[in-house]
Amino acid sequence: QVQLQESGPGLVKPSQTLSLTCTVSGDSISSGSYYWSWIRQPAGKGLEWIGHISTSGSTNYNPSLKSRVTISVDTSKNQFSLKLSSVTAADTAVYYCSRGSRTRYFDYWGQGTLVTVSS
Amino acid sequence: SYELIQPPSVSMSPGQTASVTCSGDKLGERYVSWYQQKPGQSPVLVIYQDKKRPSGIPERFSGSNSGNTATLTISGTQAIDEADYYCQAWDSGAASAVFGGGTKLTVL
Repeated sequence: QVQLQESGPGLVKPSQTLSLTCTVSGDSISSGSYYWSWIRQPAGKGLEWIGHISTSGSTNYNPSLKSRVTISVDTSKNQFSLKLSSVTAADTAVYYCSRGSRTRYFDYWGQGTLVTVSS
Repeated sequence: SYELIQPPSVSMSPGQTASVTCSGDKLGERYVSWYQQKPGQSPVLVIYQDKKRPSGIPERFSGSNSGNTATLTISGTQAIDEADYYCQAWDSGAASAVFGGGTKLTVL
């Protein structure tokens, strides 16, 4: 059974960089044709895809966030990470990591982690 | 950018059939997936590739996709089906996943 677990600071100051890590168990992050993804959800609102990194290391990002987002992978730790720079209160949300399939549906999700942007 | 439009809410009596729609330009030419999210929980995949059910999802959940509209159908709606439902597709032009705004299903 594939499991994903997000970790990182729950509070980030405005203008700083939000950094989260997703640890994957039950699957190798470097095998298969998957897209390791980040998705977020502000309180009371809908889901927003942030971006993904493929098993080959290629990345795609939401055009609305592209200038501020970096997703990377550490195969030795079976982890992938999110960095979102120049955060504002609008970036306050629950952040999920997820496994995306070759046909771009998300079959496994982490439990989510709340990140609040506040001074 | 590509948009998926869902009704904000749908209400249904127990035992009835609930339909949640998702609209987008030429949506029938893309694969659509559906997610169920209950309060305080992570989303759960209930339909992928328009009409396939993951292991463990009850048969009462079904999907279709044609033209500009995809539909999630829940037959014999139960109280446990009360949740938010999101549709999702891939925008190949922008190389980006897109979610609908979500539909709150209330089982009265």
